[in-house]
Amino acid sequence: GAVVSQHPSWVICKSGTSVKIECRSLDFQATTMFWYRQFPKQSLMLMATSNEGSKATYEQGVEKDKFLINHASLTLSTLTVTSAHPEDSSFYICSARQGGGELFFGEGSRLTVL
Amino acid sequence: DQQVKQNSPSLSVQEGRISILNCDYTNSMFDYFLWYKKYPAEGPTFLISISSIKDKNEDGRFTVFLNKSAKHLSLHIVPSQPGDSAVYFCAAIVNFGNEKLTFGTGTRLTIIP
Repeated sequence: GAVVSQHPSWVICKSGTSVKIECRSLDFQATTMFWYRQFPKQSLMLMATSNEGSKATYEQGVEKDKFLINHASLTLSTLTVTSAHPEDSSFYICSARQGGGELFFGEGSRLTVL
Repeated sequence: DQQVKQNSPSLSVQEGRISILNCDYTNSMFDYFLWYKKYPAEGPTFLISISSIKDKNEDGRFTVFLNKSAKHLSLHIVPSQPGDSAVYFCAAIVNFGNEKLTFGTGTRLTIIP
């Protein structure tokens, strides 16, 4: 079946640095990808919709200057957490839909900001 | 405002018995519902879904029931197996085809051998 892959799966960084997380659809093209964030013991919250070739659409309350999303190709979307702080530590998950079918999720990326 | 709620954060069930996971929602515009299973440090994987025009959908050991008047859905797993131990999320969509999922908070299911 279709596969969505994220990299890195786990990253630790110092406060104030920027971290980039990649989301790739491995065997299908995705004009739209989605980025979610999950705090411990909480639900996945949609952060933004990543649109290939255009600006991302951010959910209310999500700082677009903090969480930069670039959907440079039909198989790659990147999320950059800029000037990361400890409160940005979380589990970030992307998803993509193959055609009009099932939504596939990446494995997730755990960010720990020291 | 949590529009999709799973009030039981955890559930333990004996192997072979039925597991019932519950989910309540508040937004009457939701018209499609899904259940996802998630292992630690992995992304969610799709289990089963149901359209609001139906009240039941079955796929092997998994059955989802929808009660629109009560804004309630449930996932039944029978018989429960040790590999079913995971966190289960229900999710809802306003207008199927719209890809914005609203997730519940999850229920951790533990199957006791």
